[in-house]
Amino acid sequence: DQQVKQNSPSLSVQEGRISILNCDYTNSMFDYFLWYKKYPAEGPTFLISISSIKDKNEDGRFTVFLNKSAKHLSLHIVPSQPGDSAVYFCAASAWTGTASKLTFGTGTRLQVTL
Amino acid sequence: KAGVTQTPRYLIKTRGQQVTLSCSPISGHRSVSWYQQTPGQGLQFLFEYFSETQRNKGNFPGRFSGRQFSNSRSEMNVSTLELGDSALYLCASSPLGGYREKLFFGSGTQLSVL
Repeated sequence: DQQVKQNSPSLSVQEGRISILNCDYTNSMFDYFLWYKKYPAEGPTFLISISSIKDKNEDGRFTVFLNKSAKHLSLHIVPSQPGDSAVYFCAASAWTGTASKLTFGTGTRLQVTL
Repeated sequence: KAGVTQTPRYLIKTRGQQVTLSCSPISGHRSVSWYQQTPGQGLQFLFEYFSETQRNKGNFPGRFSGRQFSNSRSEMNVSTLELGDSALYLCASSPLGGYREKLFFGSGTQLSVL
């Protein structure tokens, strides 16, 4: 049962344009969401996060939007740069009384073309 | 500060063998988590250790086990390897493993089971 879904395995965007990566979740207990970026032969690196009490969080070119009623979040990258080409994972967590167990989506491969 | 170090980088084993993977967390980080990444499945949570105790466990068979040492270094063991165990195994550390802490990942160990 995939509780976090990234339905687009890949996305191609021209340099300078906006990249929008989408993520859906089914578990209503999730209240904290993160995006990680992964380059080949490297581990994922944290990009940006959002708490369920917010609907938007910005960090430079990256903005994450959360729609709790739709159980949907999206990552916007503006403007997209060639160095943004990577696999992006959406992840979610819920307070279970214990600690770090992230539920990840299957990832979206972003390619930014010149 | 040195990042999360995983050894070895690559491993080739045959079915039925066992394997041990090693992870050295960032200095000062006491929580170590392990994830399995396979194509199409994203990152699947294996287990999390804190202060030498397993605090959280994912839905993997008992062939997958781990431990943590007093210096926070962690090992993961897979016994009786199966072809389906071929994957990238990622280790991540965080200071306390709190559910809103971001994880710092190593580059992973690529395991191939023949």
